[in-house]
Amino acid sequence: GAGVSQSPRYKVAKRGQDVALRCDPISGHVSLFWYQQALGQGPEFLTYFQNEAQLDKSGLPSDRFFAERPEGSVSTLKIQRTQQEDSAVYLCASSLARQGSSYNSPLHFGNGTRLTVT
Amino acid sequence: KQEVTQIPAALSVPEGENLVLNCSFTDSAIYNLQWFRQDPGKGLTSLLLIQSSQREQTSGRLNASLDKSSGRSTLYIAASQPGDSATYLCAVRAVQGGSEKLVFGKGTKLTVNP
Repeated sequence: GAGVSQSPRYKVAKRGQDVALRCDPISGHVSLFWYQQALGQGPEFLTYFQNEAQLDKSGLPSDRFFAERPEGSVSTLKIQRTQQEDSAVYLCASSLARQGSSYNSPLHFGNGTRLTVT
Repeated sequence: KQEVTQIPAALSVPEGENLVLNCSFTDSAIYNLQWFRQDPGKGLTSLLLIQSSQREQTSGRLNASLDKSSGRSTLYIAASQPGDSATYLCAVRAVQGGSEKLVFGKGTKLTVNP
């Protein structure tokens, strides 16, 4: 009965370093989302996977951001050459249903990874 | 483009009061609306989900309503407790940019004083 698990919980990176953030969704969940939450703001959409297919990456702020979900389960969000403006909490969410299904299942969120770029 | 607004941005009440948090959205073409709670340094906990065909949902002391045609939702909290202190986020699930996604408001920070 585990929920969505994200690691690491905290990450401090020097500007210019590459980072990789991991998300373990709830087993069997088809849909997986990544969100970015700046301090005092609501989460902003980054990208969406349905199984292993990345169907929407329109929210990725630059080509330094890359996400994958190769086996339709665990997902990794990679940020290359980190900048200070990348500092935020990165949230992963999963849901049972795929897009377009008549049953809209709720999204379940992990606790996030707080990234600080110095 | 779908936009979600939450009013007020912050609210402080004494313990025991009933209170209402407001959420409005600009495009009524939504699949559902979800209310979340976020504690400091934590992720989001889903409180209530209202399908687009529904008018309200209840869970314990929480009641959420949805008026899709006017683009409004309210979260009613009865007999508030200090443990209810958190940020409450409203999100609509809608098609934007070619796929379904949750579009969030900025949240209402609630403080319940003992």
